[in-house]
Amino acid sequence: GAVVSQHPSRVICKSGTSVKIECRSLDFQATTMFWYRQFPKQSLMLMATSNEGSKATYEQGVEKDKFLINHASLTLSTLTVTSAHPEDSSFYICSGTYLRPGLAGKFYNEQFFGPGTRLTVL
Amino acid sequence: AQKITQTQPGMFVQEKEAVTLDCTYDTSDPSYGLFWYKQPSSGEMIFLIYQGSYDQQNATEGRYSLNFQKARKSANLVISASQLGDSAMYFCAMRANYGGSQGNLIFGKGTKLSVKP
Repeated sequence: GAVVSQHPSRVICKSGTSVKIECRSLDFQATTMFWYRQFPKQSLMLMATSNEGSKATYEQGVEKDKFLINHASLTLSTLTVTSAHPEDSSFYICSGTYLRPGLAGKFYNEQFFGPGTRLTVL
Repeated sequence: AQKITQTQPGMFVQEKEAVTLDCTYDTSDPSYGLFWYKQPSSGEMIFLIYQGSYDQQNATEGRYSLNFQKARKSANLVISASQLGDSAMYFCAMRANYGGSQGNLIFGKGTKLSVKP
């Protein structure tokens, strides 16, 4: 399968600072990237969907001014948590998708996940 | 609205035995894909198996098989010959319009599987 990397894997920051998380597709071009957030012992919740070169689409309840997403290229998307607060402490996971040609002219999008970034805001 | 339901918060299984993790789904879309992921304590999401809504046969991948019952809208994961390394969280997920659009995955709440030696 394709590889998605995230950096950093773990970050601890002070309240009020901004943190940038990078998500890279290493061996494929991701037409779409998704950002998820996972609180302890809970499921993954989609935060936003981003397509290269266009503005991200945020899910209801996710503040776009707080969680800035930039999808500058087909292999890189960044999530910046601005003015982080302790309640932003969570596990952030990105995933990249690309369209795989299938039979009879159909295309199937494959989705690959990064290893996640654990953010702790003190 | 699309929804994934996993009713088992936690499951225990004896090593070398088989275990079934339940998953039911709800969607009005005729074309969709169902996925199972494993998430160990390290946090990474590991893809296990996929079932398309139009697939005639149940998917199998090594020790993993998916018991797909379309009329009941269920997609249970069966793990045969459990191993200690199978202890992890397991998430069932669905994506509608798999054949064309870039729909995101919708996840269930997960089931924590513990394999006992």
